[in-house]
Amino acid sequence: GQQLNQSPQSMFIQEGEDVSMNCTSSSIFNTWLWYKQDPGEGPVLLIALYKAGELTSNGRLTAQFGITRKDSFLNISASIPSDVGIYFCAGHGNTGNQFYFGTGTSLTVIP
Amino acid sequence: GAVVSQHPSWVICKSGTSVKIECRSLDFQATTMFWYRQFPKQSLMLMATSNEGSKATYEQGVEKDKFLINHASLTLSTLTVTSAHPEDSSFYICSARDDAGVRNEQFFGPGTRLTVL
Repeated sequence: GQQLNQSPQSMFIQEGEDVSMNCTSSSIFNTWLWYKQDPGEGPVLLIALYKAGELTSNGRLTAQFGITRKDSFLNISASIPSDVGIYFCAGHGNTGNQFYFGTGTSLTVIP
Repeated sequence: GAVVSQHPSWVICKSGTSVKIECRSLDFQATTMFWYRQFPKQSLMLMATSNEGSKATYEQGVEKDKFLINHASLTLSTLTVTSAHPEDSSFYICSARDDAGVRNEQFFGPGTRLTVL
């Protein structure tokens, strides 16, 4: 199935820095979701986006649904050690039940 | 929020045995559930879409006779890895969509770590 391009693949940042990652698709999507996965656990939903241009925040996290509907962005402000994990984007189009997942961004926060 | 559980959390079995993994939606009904496989440091790979009351839809390259899926109720889907071999060792994760939810969201279980000796 289709896999979304997510970048960067990994990030090593100092505590307190801001983080940005993005996800792109060759197809138009109607829904974008952002998840965080800790080692050995299932992904946890962070933010859901349903409209092109939509900007939604969840605490220090902010995500945007790209205007073209083919991309989405996630920003984390003032990172802390517990932000460590793998972040996945997921997109859903017009048809079917399936969400397509990004390749993941591994985040390491150095105290 | 919507909670999805998986059982067992991890299992170790001998080669040739079959292993059943359960996925339950605890506080919502789910006509559709999904089964994923994840290798270390890789993304989620969709194996199949489980549909309550009908046959599962398998992704290309996934053997339906190897990975049996049963979605007998609106809150339970099971994945049975038949005649497991070491190459089946992986992290298996299920997810579910809330039938009554107005939002198009998918909720994941905590995953099951399978190790085949």
